[in-house]
Amino acid sequence: DAMVIQNPRYQVTQFGKPVTLSCSQTLNHNVMYWYQQKSSQAPKLLFHYYDKDFNNEADTPDNFQSRRPNTSFCFLDIRSPGLGDAAMYLCATSSRLAPQETQYFGPGTRLLVL
Amino acid sequence: AQSVTQLDSQVPVFEEAPVELRCNYSSSVSVYLFWYVQYPNQGLQLLLKYLSGSTLVKGINGFEAEFNKSQTSFHLRKPSVHISDTAEYFCAVSVNSGYSTLTFGKGTMLLVSP
Repeated sequence: DAMVIQNPRYQVTQFGKPVTLSCSQTLNHNVMYWYQQKSSQAPKLLFHYYDKDFNNEADTPDNFQSRRPNTSFCFLDIRSPGLGDAAMYLCATSSRLAPQETQYFGPGTRLLVL
Repeated sequence: AQSVTQLDSQVPVFEEAPVELRCNYSSSVSVYLFWYVQYPNQGLQLLLKYLSGSTLVKGINGFEAEFNKSQTSFHLRKPSVHISDTAEYFCAVSVNSGYSTLTFGKGTMLLVSP
């Protein structure tokens, strides 16, 4: 089955220690998104890639970076995690960058910062 | 900018009872509307979406939603729920204006008990 895969499902890191979350997709979609979802809150878009074009949301902290080395993979790098960065991180894809497109989500990575 | 309000954070209901999950949106331009479901420890999955045409939209698992432009609402309904419908439900909006991404509501937890 075509899908969006996120590894690991759970990640524990230390305050200030860089961490990388991984997302891969077998849908061959052009667009990949990263969302942050804190407890009892709406998923919040951090950034997206359309092919190799990177778009950062205006309020995404500089501490968050992303890489997309090829169509299938996208990484979320948190350079110096703070306690406030503990959250579920969701990766999603869509075939086109258009407002009516369905987004396909991975299962998420839950990040815990100690 | 667009916004979404989900009026209920939790909706408890007995199995086989009907349910309505409420969603209101705010936008100065025409919109596309979505309902996503998130089962425990899983990613978000599209239930249904309204793009244009008939205001009554049918989705997966027996769910339907009605777009009401005058009331800026997109409430989700199911005539008879199952235990397996226990999940978090997110309403989302994107605007019909060039580049636009999804804005999610905070979610409604549907709790179905025997």
